Amino acid sequence: QQQVKQSPQSLIVQKGGISIINCAYENTAFDYFPWYQQFPGKGPALLIAIRPDVSEKKEGRFTISFNKSAKQFSLHIMDSQPGDSATYFCAAGVRGGNKLTFGTGTQLKVEL
Amino acid sequence: DSGVTQTPKHLITATGQRVTLRCSPRSGDLSVYWYQQSLDQGLQFLIQYYNGEERAKGNILERFSAQQFPDLHSELNLSSLELGDSALYFCASSGRSMTDTQYFGPGTRLTVL
Repeated sequence: QQQVKQSPQSLIVQKGGISIINCAYENTAFDYFPWYQQFPGKGPALLIAIRPDVSEKKEGRFTISFNKSAKQFSLHIMDSQPGDSATYFCAAGVRGGNKLTFGTGTQLKVEL
Repeated sequence: DSGVTQTPKHLITATGQRVTLRCSPRSGDLSVYWYQQSLDQGLQFLIQYYNGEERAKGNILERFSAQQFPDLHSELNLSSLELGDSALYFCASSGRSMTDTQYFGPGTRLTVL
């Protein structure tokens, strides 16, 4: 019940296209959903996060969509750029809790 | 640069050995988290310390232990190493709450031969 399932495992998108990464969770107690971006040789860095009281959050070209009834959330990267090529992790946790459960990651490659 | 430092960057050792990984959190952060990242398991939470005390435990093996010192730096000790322990080990730090942003260090790549 602690799992966070992430798909796809890898994704190739053309420059200017939309990248979409999906995550699903089972634990209804989760109420904090961050996305992390990781470049090769670096640690993950927080990209954007959402709480379940909103269905969408946008920061620049990055948007999280959240569907509480389906227990799913997704990351959309608009106008994808080669510099967005990285591994993206979704995660889930409980506010006031102490641990994040991460998805297995999506390797995104944006081609020219 | 996240402000979290980890040493060493790379570590190569043999099975059965013991190693210590070190993490210095961002200035002012009281929480330290340790994660293991391997190709087949993704990013796995190991343990969290808050202001010197263990706060949460994840999938941490009994052969592994950690501590946080009064100056808030933390060490992860891995003993009786096995080939399967080869992975990237990340430290992250945050403020009081887990929902405060976790800032990750650059990681230590451990190779067990």
